[in-house]
Amino acid sequence: QSALTQPPSASGSPGQSVTISCTGTSSDVGIYNYVSWYQQHPGKAPKVMIYEVNKRPSGVPDRFSGSKSGNTASLTVSGLQAEDEADYYCSSYAGNNNFDVIFGGGTKLSVL
Amino acid sequence: EVQLVESGGGLVQPGGSLRLSCEASGFSVRTIWFDWVRQHPGKGLVWVSRINGDGSRTGYADSVKGRFTISRDNAKSTVYLQMNSLRVDDTALYYCGRITSSNHVDLWGRGTLVTVFS
Repeated sequence: QSALTQPPSASGSPGQSVTISCTGTSSDVGIYNYVSWYQQHPGKAPKVMIYEVNKRPSGVPDRFSGSKSGNTASLTVSGLQAEDEADYYCSSYAGNNNFDVIFGGGTKLSVL
Repeated sequence: EVQLVESGGGLVQPGGSLRLSCEASGFSVRTIWFDWVRQHPGKGLVWVSRINGDGSRTGYADSVKGRFTISRDNAKSTVYLQMNSLRVDDTALYYCGRITSSNHVDLWGRGTLVTVFS
């Protein structure tokens, strides 16, 4: 149950785009399309931004998009806004027998 | 209001026990799966445990297997996490989350803080 690999930090200026990667293995990200992304502001509970690799829940701006290639998933935030500054975590389902779920270590997104 | 409210956290010494509760309101829990997810101070999210709708299937992270037990009482709309043999590294904010059929958490509680100190 090793954590998914995310860069510890990412940054961009307002209006720019930034992409955060999330690398797993052929036992989790590579085999399941149950990859989700969560946004967490300081002192707050996480909020789902993307689920099933590239689906957006109602209310999430279309500036947020997700994709996957092989064992790596990505979250792209376009048209960066100040309120996008937060920690972002990817998550993947990893197994049926034990319901294994794996999170990434998190990426601190700074809007410069 | 649709919400999850965790409770039961607190201070405990190593080797001690705590039972966390997660009370759901505003929706029927009968067929809903739930997760417990923890966050160590200043660190990332870590999955702890999952339970299916009728409580017949459960799963645990390796780090808590054999020490933690997840259960539920649908009549009380409540999910529990019994934590035994607590260790200092179990210190964390524990979140309860509602799982969708797409295997993601779409509703989170505010968390309950567990502190294990020697």
